[in-house]
Order: sequence, then C-alpha cells, then structure tokens
Amino acid sequence: DAKTTQPNSMESNEEEPVHLPCNHSTISGTDYIHWYRQLPSQGPEYVIHGLTSNVNNRMASLAIAEDRKSSTLILHRATLRDAAVYYCISYSNSGYALNFGKGTSLLVTP
Amino acid sequence: DTGVSQNPRHKITKRGQNVTFRCDPISEHNRLYWYRQTLGQGPEFLTYFQNEAQLEKSRLLSDRFSAERPKGSFSTLEIQRTEQGDSAMYLCASSSIRKNTEAFFGQGTRLTVV
Repeated sequence: DAKTTQPNSMESNEEEPVHLPCNHSTISGTDYIHWYRQLPSQGPEYVIHGLTSNVNNRMASLAIAEDRKSSTLILHRATLRDAAVYYCISYSNSGYALNFGKGTSLLVTP
Repeated sequence: DTGVSQNPRHKITKRGQNVTFRCDPISEHNRLYWYRQTLGQGPEFLTYFQNEAQLEKSRLLSDRFSAERPKGSFSTLEIQRTEQGDSAMYLCASSSIRKNTEAFFGQGTRLTVV
C-alpha cells in the first residue's frame, strides 16, 4: 500500500491561506490522491482528490507535484470552522480501502 | 437523502457481552466500508462490501467480529465477547461503484466496554 507522510500539526491565522503538505513517494502512477478532513466528533468528510494536474473545488485547491511524490492542499482563507484533522490518503493495493494515517491537525486562531 | 446513518450513536457494554451496530448507506451506493478509530489515530479499515459481497477484510477483523450486508442495503457489524480493547469509534462509509469517487462517512458509533 502507498504510504503518505504529513506533519502532525499546523497552525494558521484566520482568513490567511493554509498550505498542508503531504509526501507520497511510493504512490503508483494510477493512484489518485484523496484528501479528507475530520471535524471534532464527526466522521471524515471528503475535501478533494486528483491524479496529476491541479484541482480546484469550492472547499480547497490541490496542487500535485510534477513527479507526483508530493501534493499540497490549499485552503485559500482559513476560517475557525476549518480547524480539523486533514488526511492525505490513497487507496490500498486492492483498490478498495482508503488508507488513513494520523493526518495533520490544523489549528486556526482568530 | 440524509446521508449515511449509523445506530446507535453510543453504546456502553460490559466486557464479554455481544454488541451489534447498524449502518444505512446512501441508497444508491454499492460500496460500503467499516472503519475503527481510536483516540488520536486515523480511521483503520476493517472491511468492505460491494453490494452484498464482502470483498475484503482487514487483519484487524478478528474472529469475534462479523459483518453482513444482506440484500446489499444496510449493514451490521457484530462484536462478540467484547473486550476493553474494542472500545473505539466505529465508522461506516459508502460510495458509488465508480472508481476514485468520494466516500461519505456516517457520524459513527462510539463503543465503550467497561
């Protein structure tokens, strides 16, 4: 299974952009990178996913390195409601299970 | 659609008792997953169903754990002879059959074994 590496925690000021990095050097050429986040006392929720090119949606942007060994989730203007654990994940080798690590705990301060 | 629904939300049981959790996925979703999450850790994969077929089981799923998805609709996860180490949040998720599509998670069932 592809392994992802993320910082344990990050801190941001409210209304500032946040760049959450992820290393996934062992990912295969056909595996998408998925990002989920988990707010306190809730189940994870989907944020964004991509394969090679940068992706944007209403929640965030995803910048994928050209060699696909790393990616960055970008929150353009952090709000207090964005305080959560952010997971950078890929599917298992079987293609069925999303492999979560410990994620990055994002603290947003006013 | 109300999303993925899990019941009960909380369960306290005595060690050695059996417990059963239910998950109702989003109605048109073929794929259903069970995960377990302990404090400070990310969710750990337990098992996966495609319609009614259980296609993958993690090594974490000991023989005290069994999951079913009769008729490919709702799913149940049963833990027999519970142990204190089973205390965790049990999460259910569902997704459509299309590859690389997003998974929708329920709010989980918090199990406490005393």
